[in-house]
Amino acid sequence: QVQLVQSGAEVKKPGASVKVSCKASGYTFTSYGISWVRQAPGQGLEWMGWISAYNGNTNYEGRVTMTTDTSTSTAYMELRSLSSDDTAVYYCARLVAHSSSWYPDYWGQGTLVTVSS
Amino acid sequence: QSALTQPASVSGSPGQSITISCTGTSSDVGGYNYVSWYQQHPGKAPKLMIYDVSNRPSGVSNRFSGSKSGNTASLTISGLQAEDEADYYCSSYTSSSLGVFGGGTKLTVL
Repeated sequence: QVQLVQSGAEVKKPGASVKVSCKASGYTFTSYGISWVRQAPGQGLEWMGWISAYNGNTNYEGRVTMTTDTSTSTAYMELRSLSSDDTAVYYCARLVAHSSSWYPDYWGQGTLVTVSS
Repeated sequence: QSALTQPASVSGSPGQSITISCTGTSSDVGGYNYVSWYQQHPGKAPKLMIYDVSNRPSGVSNRFSGSKSGNTASLTISGLQAEDEADYYCSSYTSSSLGVFGGGTKLTVL
């Protein structure tokens, strides 16, 4: 069965960086993308971007860097220059992306990142 | 990219049907058949309910259906059940090759 298992909760100070991992299993990692979504406390979902595990192509903006390690079927999302506004649960989700479909289907359990001085 | 517009809340009694709308622009909802819907219970990860406007993943009840007209997509839940009470989010592919979510709709089963 498809599973995405994310790294544990993090507490960071303002100005620091955080790197969240997402280990995939149960499918061919390079046949799909990985999307990253975050959800601030009590708020809605927010797209952060995505990366193709096939060729490493990415689409994201701002302070984010997304990478993959195909040898371990793991995706990473690094967010720099953290502020309190970045306090949120961060989700990875497998991205189905081809000529006739585009949607995240299976989701990780989420990683809480708390930014506090 | 501005968030898609959803009603903040909807409600219905068990057995009834409800519809949640999701309004975007020609750069997202109206321009592509790549609208998906997610159900989220408190403290849980989102669950895919509808993809590519109207397709239902294996294992999702046929009480859930999706459609689109112009810049507005809709999720309909028929035969409401207590377990359907949750937050629902629409998502669309955009002309920037990124995704965008709606603000979310809280469904209350009375």
